[in-house]
Amino acid sequence: KNEVEQSPQNLTAQEGEFITINCSYSVGISALHWLQQHPGGGIVSLFMLSSGKKKHGRLIATINIQEKHSSLHITASHPRDSAVYICAVPGAGGGADGLTFGKGTHLIIQP
Amino acid sequence: DVKVTQSSRYLVKRTGEKVFLECVQDMDHENMFWYRQDPGLGLRLIYFSYDVKMKEKGDIPEGYSVSREKKERFSLILESASTNQTSMYLCASSTWIAEAFFGQGTRLTVV
Repeated sequence: KNEVEQSPQNLTAQEGEFITINCSYSVGISALHWLQQHPGGGIVSLFMLSSGKKKHGRLIATINIQEKHSSLHITASHPRDSAVYICAVPGAGGGADGLTFGKGTHLIIQP
Repeated sequence: DVKVTQSSRYLVKRTGEKVFLECVQDMDHENMFWYRQDPGLGLRLIYFSYDVKMKEKGDIPEGYSVSREKKERFSLILESASTNQTSMYLCASSTWIAEAFFGQGTRLTVV
């Protein structure tokens, strides 16, 4: 079973700072997911990536398949970015048998 | 937009009650999942289903069962609720090797 480690567990930053959240996993995968969870519980998928880099607005996700490592970056952070960010990897069934999740990074952006 | 709808946001049940958590998705996805989320433990897979009437145990199936009579609906059943099943429950759906979509979560308290 894949082991997924995220760091840091908690991160408090000032508005405008550049944020980096890291994720490493133990077994090779077909793709990696970055998810966002706001207070109240709902989870939104931010990215699914299998190589290189993806960008949506101020969010950038990168993955290095050889090193089994991914990063999520937030540029020009804003208080509305405050949330829990979770990385997840599929099981041997490519996701049809569910995801294995990191424990999440609790991000707080202060005005 | 894909929508995954869970029947309740909050539930309070008594120990020993039979509890049904319902999940409906509207995008004809083959795969559906039930996870529970606990502080410090992250999200863990309870059961999943890749087709109607098919079900597979996840990492923590004890004390739970599921039902998938129609493709769009996946129900989680707590046969006899116990206090250690107090948790946030999240339903998700996906197609094969693709992005997962999550419901808003049901926060269940068993007293």
